[in-house]
Amino acid sequence: GAGVSQSPSNKVTEKGKDVELRCDPISGHTALYWYRQSLGQGLEFLIYFQGNSAPDKSGLPSDRFSAERTGGSVSTLTIQRTQQEDSAVYLCASSPPESYYNEQFFGPGTRLTVL
Amino acid sequence: KQEVTQIPAALSVPEGENLVLNCSFTDSAIYNLQWFRQDPGKGLTSLLLIQSSQREQTSGRLNASLDKSSGRSTLYIAASQPGDSATYLCAVLLYGNNRLAFGKGNQVVVIP
Repeated sequence: GAGVSQSPSNKVTEKGKDVELRCDPISGHTALYWYRQSLGQGLEFLIYFQGNSAPDKSGLPSDRFSAERTGGSVSTLTIQRTQQEDSAVYLCASSPPESYYNEQFFGPGTRLTVL
Repeated sequence: KQEVTQIPAALSVPEGENLVLNCSFTDSAIYNLQWFRQDPGKGLTSLLLIQSSQREQTSGRLNASLDKSSGRSTLYIAASQPGDSATYLCAVLLYGNNRLAFGKGNQVVVIP
């Protein structure tokens, strides 16, 4: 079946602009996660959704970052007034409901470059 | 805070040799541990997941062990092939938590 999809695959923007990144989880997966992978850094957690609610958004680095999820499916990560340090690969993952294994399945990522 | 360390950061091996990749973590209260593969410019592919109650998992040429008490996991790749060249990431999920804590990866090059 279809995996996690993300769009766009690449995004180049100018400093100060807003960007929206989209994630389509695997159909039926109730949990959705956003991570960020910066050059030279490991993968860092940003936010976790269960259904449409976000019980853990503690990884969002500043109030310029926000995310929402609608219909228990698609999620959008929005970065306002982008800065050069926001340049990274943004990865989305999803997990099935009541999963004994809590295995996370990742999408291909969106590479964001802020000029 | 859970710290995950992967050693070595990079290694090259001749084709046919066995690969041994190490992962250590500081908090032993983990729910599971996952090994991922990442190709350049790509997302993560899950290779193996070990539950905290398990000692090892195997899939084809891959075998991952888990020693929770010592905070270590090892990924073995038998008879390496050039197609195994990639970055391998280790990640742990803590009890009562939903976020994966990742190491920085082992970058592997298999030389034909």
